[in-house]
Amino acid sequence: DAGVIQSPRHEVTEMGQEVTLRCKPISGHDYLFWYRQTMMRGLELLIYFNNNVPIDDSGMPEDRFSAKMPNASFSTLKIQPSEPRDSAVYFCASAGVSGYTFGSGTRLTVV
Amino acid sequence: QKEVEQNSGPLSVPEGAIASLNCTYSDRGSQSFFWYRQYSGKSPELIMSIYSNGDKEDGRFTAQLNKASQYVSLLIRDSQPSDSATYLCAVGSSGGSYIPTFGRGTSLIVHP
Repeated sequence: DAGVIQSPRHEVTEMGQEVTLRCKPISGHDYLFWYRQTMMRGLELLIYFNNNVPIDDSGMPEDRFSAKMPNASFSTLKIQPSEPRDSAVYFCASAGVSGYTFGSGTRLTVV
Repeated sequence: QKEVEQNSGPLSVPEGAIASLNCTYSDRGSQSFFWYRQYSGKSPELIMSIYSNGDKEDGRFTAQLNKASQYVSLLIRDSQPSDSATYLCAVGSSGGSYIPTFGRGTSLIVHP
């Protein structure tokens, strides 16, 4: 298994632009999580899905953030419009009976 | 609000020494506890999990859990420079779901 696959690995964008981060979970995992990691706040859970259904989005910082999981093999996290304070590493993770695995992350820089 | 507290460090130990990393948590009903290692620029990877009071050993790593004191620790014996990383403590929710709460991590530096 290729593990949890995230794209892009790095994203640099200008303030006000829309940013879309993508994640392919491990096949058979029924949970998917989106995290944001910064030096100041550590690893924060933004939202998680169970069987493609959003369960808890209380960690989403504001309405500029949205996440979807249209099927079991794909999820997106969108930021519109982006702001410099959104600069962070965004991790996707999936979980199932085989365990909990993180993707390699997307490093987002908003200038 | 569930909290997981770790000393941010850095914790600096000489090669060959024992490194001791500590973590406290607020949710008294938590049932599952994890240690993740994160190298700079990489994603967290699970190195230990523990579910019952006492010690659990895996190679050079020992996880220790004391639920009464709401305390979990990780000992790394014979520390190597390759152990230099940030170690994240994660605590599963009292509902028994997959959803851990992460501490902010302790930076460990093992110097030759």
